[in-house]
Order: sequence, then C-alpha cells, then structure tokens
Amino acid sequence: QKEVEQNSGPLSVPEGAIASLNCTYSDRVSQSFFWYRQYSGKSPELIMSIYSNGDKEDGRFTAQLNKASQYVSLLIRDSQPSDSATYLCAVNIPPGNTPLVFGKGTRLSVIA
Amino acid sequence: NAGVTQTPKFQVLKTGQSMTLQCAQDMNHNSMYWYRQDPGMGLRLIYYSASEGTTDKGEVPNGYNVSRLNKREFSLRLESAAPSQTSVYFCASSEAPGPYEQYFGPGTRLTVT
Repeated sequence: QKEVEQNSGPLSVPEGAIASLNCTYSDRVSQSFFWYRQYSGKSPELIMSIYSNGDKEDGRFTAQLNKASQYVSLLIRDSQPSDSATYLCAVNIPPGNTPLVFGKGTRLSVIA
Repeated sequence: NAGVTQTPKFQVLKTGQSMTLQCAQDMNHNSMYWYRQDPGMGLRLIYYSASEGTTDKGEVPNGYNVSRLNKREFSLRLESAAPSQTSVYFCASSEAPGPYEQYFGPGTRLTVT
C-alpha cells in the first residue's frame, strides 16, 4: 500500500527558531519528493523538490532526503509568523506513471 | 501565464442537483488531476488524466465523472450532488504522470445542502 506519513501537528515554534517537518514514505524505490505549503483557505504551493540523498537548500528552506531510511525532511530557518501554514509532503511511489502520493500535512504555527 | 485556473470559485447546490467544475491550464502540461480536500483527510485524488484522451480513477471516484476536453481542459461533473460531496475541489497539472511536480489551481469551495 502506498503511504506517505506526516505528523499532523500543530507544530509550534517561536519566531526565529528552526522548524523541522518530517515525512516518511512506504516504498524504497521512490525517486521524487516534493514539499508544498498551503495557507488556510488557499491551494497548495510547491516550495521544494529533492531527488537525491542529502540536503538541498533554497533560501531559508532546506530539504533533506535519506532514501535508506525512507524519510524526507523540511527545515525552515529563522521561522517567521508568515511561515504559519500546513506543509504537505508528496512522493512518487512506483509504478512510475502513477500520480504523486500526498501526506495529510503538518500544521506549523510560528509564534511571534 | 495564468497557470491553472478553475471555475467557479464558490458554489452552493441542493441535494440532487448537477454541476460541472471547469479547469484549464496554460503550461502545456500533459497530465491533469482532480482532488478533494476535507478537514483531517488531506488531499484525495478523484480522477486523473495522464494524457489527452485518457482518464483513470483515483482514490475516491464514486459520484463523479470527468472529461478531458483537450490538452488544456479537464472538467469534473457531479451528476446528482450529495451532502457528502461538500468539500474544496482542486485541479492540478503536471508535465507528465509520475515523478513530476504538480501545480494547483485556486480551488472551488462547494457546499451541498
């Protein structure tokens, strides 16, 4: 069964801290991993993609992938109240031509 | 580029009424998707179209039909709306099926009374 698991939260962090969001997935041969941000009442917005083991940095965001342990993480440095949103993890789980599988999301609250 | 557009933004239906949700993308993507999102349930795939001329069921297809009108447009039809179909509906598109990022439209908030 194709599964992408996320802690639903809420995850509360103080402004300026590092927020760490985690996602685990069920299939070891998955190849593509995405993080989406969804503000309340809005649609999901792609913020990061990662395909290889290790870290990928984009501004205050860092995605970390560990295929052996089947998890992908998103770190948000210097968290701001504007980062308060639900973060969705999406993974392609074989066979290769099937849609991405989305986790249910983690709600992040950054406290000023 | 408008990206992915959806109409209408809001709709209220009575039980048993029918309606069609429209979706269009201008990114020349091959694949398009319909999701519903309910509190605590995450995004659930209703139907998708891997390429023009094909459609496939997702996780929750019952009560819905789809039409891939052309490469740009993918519509979702509710033939006889039920209160259980009250939800927010998102359309998305991607370059191809599988390991490609999806881009979402703004959503349609549907209430069935």
